[in-house]
Amino acid sequence: AQSVTQLGSHVSVSEGALVLLRCNYSSSVPPYLFWYVQYPNQGLQLLLKYTSAATLVKGINGFEAEFKKSETSFHLTKPSAHMSDAAEYFCAVSERLLDDMRFGAGTRLTVKP
Amino acid sequence: NAGVTQTPKFQVLKTGQSMTLQCAQDMNHNSMYWYRQDPGMGLRLIYYSASEGTTDKGEVPNGYNVSRLNKREFSLRLESAAPSQTSVYFCASSEALGTYEQYFGPGTRLTVT
Repeated sequence: AQSVTQLGSHVSVSEGALVLLRCNYSSSVPPYLFWYVQYPNQGLQLLLKYTSAATLVKGINGFEAEFKKSETSFHLTKPSAHMSDAAEYFCAVSERLLDDMRFGAGTRLTVKP
Repeated sequence: NAGVTQTPKFQVLKTGQSMTLQCAQDMNHNSMYWYRQDPGMGLRLIYYSASEGTTDKGEVPNGYNVSRLNKREFSLRLESAAPSQTSVYFCASSEALGTYEQYFGPGTRLTVT
């Protein structure tokens, strides 16, 4: 079955610094990949998704992610962190059109002033 | 347009008690899901419903039952609560399974003593 591994349960950056959240996936077929964000005491909301079109995917709030098949990775980046980016971020994978989605354990992003 | 709503927001149960978590969506989505979120484990799928009238087990179905009451509503029942079911429960919906964005409710925080 498909799975994702998020490297680093907690990432801390300074305001204005680069944000890099790592996600590696395991899949036997070309995957569909997603990044979701969860703000405190809220449900998850979609940041961006990859569904086999462009390998560089742009999402909301200035985030983007690049699909690298050779590295089985889908890392999330943002050039300049803002205080409002502090949240928990989840990578997710779905293998087939009718399959269920599997989530990673999450990475908590802290932004220091 | 409320999106996905869940009731209750908080619940404390004693071991052995039963309860039903309610979920409703107003986006005319076909598919609905129940997840549990535990620290360090991300979201794990309990049950899902691809369309009205169908339900299927997810990754961690033991101890739970579900009912897809109609297209809008999808309930999760704990027949005999156990401390291991202490968790935050999220309901989600999407147009269909797989590659479609899932929309999440605000969650139910359940404690079983």
